[in-house]
Amino acid sequence: AQSVTQPDIHITVSEGASLELRCNYSYGATPYLFWYVQSPGQGLQLLLKYFSGDTLVQGIKGFEAEFKRSQSSFNLRKPSVHWSDAAEYFCAVGAIYNQGGKLIFGQGTELSVKP
Amino acid sequence: ETGVTQTPRHLVMGMTNKKSLKCEQHLGHNAMYWYKQSAKKPLELMFVYNFKEQTENNSVPSRFSPECPNSSHLFLHLHTLQPEDSALYLCASSQDKGEGRTDTQYFGPGTRLTVL
Repeated sequence: AQSVTQPDIHITVSEGASLELRCNYSYGATPYLFWYVQSPGQGLQLLLKYFSGDTLVQGIKGFEAEFKRSQSSFNLRKPSVHWSDAAEYFCAVGAIYNQGGKLIFGQGTELSVKP
Repeated sequence: ETGVTQTPRHLVMGMTNKKSLKCEQHLGHNAMYWYKQSAKKPLELMFVYNFKEQTENNSVPSRFSPECPNSSHLFLHLHTLQPEDSALYLCASSQDKGEGRTDTQYFGPGTRLTVL
């Protein structure tokens, strides 16, 4: 079965600390992988995506993610968190040769930032 | 206007009302999507349109009726909804590259729907 698991429902980090949000996927085809961020009352904003090539991808707002095929993971990292990063983060997977544009989303990780 | 816009941003309706949600994309894309986001649940894909044709209906109840008059506009017509239909409804668009390949989905801000 195709699925995306974000093991951490809620994470709290101190401002300035490093961050890693975990994402594991189960997918039969070669995957496209995405991280989106959602602020309260807003839609989803694309942070970064992996289609092919370099397995370490850079995104907006200082975020990066690393695709590890052997571990079926696509973890999101940021070296120093800012208070404005508090939001909900979603990992998603789709097929490179897509079945009608389907993305499968994880349940999300809510990030809180302590001053 | 840029990106993907949705109106209204908030909607409160009774179970006997009929209302419509509107989505417009200004990105030149040819695929559009409706998602439902309920509290503490993953996003649920509801409908997919490619080149104005519906290509996916993810077992959505008939009280939700989509309409895609052109590649830039997508509607979700609502009638006789239930309280459990209260959720954030998100629209997205992407570029279908043909041969089954698709590109990144870009999302609108959503419509917060409350059914009384």
